[in-house]
Amino acid sequence: DAGVIQSPRHEVTEMGQEVTLRCKPISGHNSLFWYRQTMMRGLELLIYFNNNVPIDDSGMPEDRFSAKMPNASFSTLKIQPSEPRDSAVYFCASSLGGLAGTDTQYFGPGTRLTVL
Amino acid sequence: AQSVSQHNHHVILSEAASLELGCNYSYGGTVNLFWYVQYPGQHLQLLLKYFSGDPLVKGIKGFEAEFIKSKFSFNLRKPSVQWSDTAEYFCAATAPNGGSQGNLIFGKGTKLSVKP
Repeated sequence: DAGVIQSPRHEVTEMGQEVTLRCKPISGHNSLFWYRQTMMRGLELLIYFNNNVPIDDSGMPEDRFSAKMPNASFSTLKIQPSEPRDSAVYFCASSLGGLAGTDTQYFGPGTRLTVL
Repeated sequence: AQSVSQHNHHVILSEAASLELGCNYSYGGTVNLFWYVQYPGQHLQLLLKYFSGDPLVKGIKGFEAEFIKSKFSFNLRKPSVQWSDTAEYFCAATAPNGGSQGNLIFGKGTKLSVKP
């Protein structure tokens, strides 16, 4: 298996532009997570899905952020409009999503976003 | 608020020194605990996890961690570090609502630098 795939790996954009980050989870995994990593705040959970349904989006910073999972093999995280403070590394992770909460999360390589 | 605390922001050791990285979580009840590692330029990967049984858990690359329920702790240890252990280490715990889909709360991470 190729693991969790994220694209693009690097994104540089200007303030006010729309940014879309993409993630393909590991086949057969039922849970998908979006995280943001910054020096100041560390690794923060933004939103997670189980069986394509958003379960908890309380970590999404504001209405400029939205996430979708139209099917089991694809998810997007969109920022519109983007701001310089959104600059961070965004990770996607997936897990089997079993009820016991013991499953390992497998992380993608991340998207390094720079908003100028 | 529920949180996971890692005591050290940056640890610097010489090769062959022993390592212990602290981790505490702030809530009671059943939790599953994880240590992830992020090598320079790479994505997070699982070192080890605990969810039941023997509180001393052995992971990859000679790492181990001990769950002490009374102290709400899950410290990571390695008897003799190598230069290749230079990385950032993240402790994580399932959310206190049971985390049935495996959503995790991460600590802020500890950077380990091993001098050759």
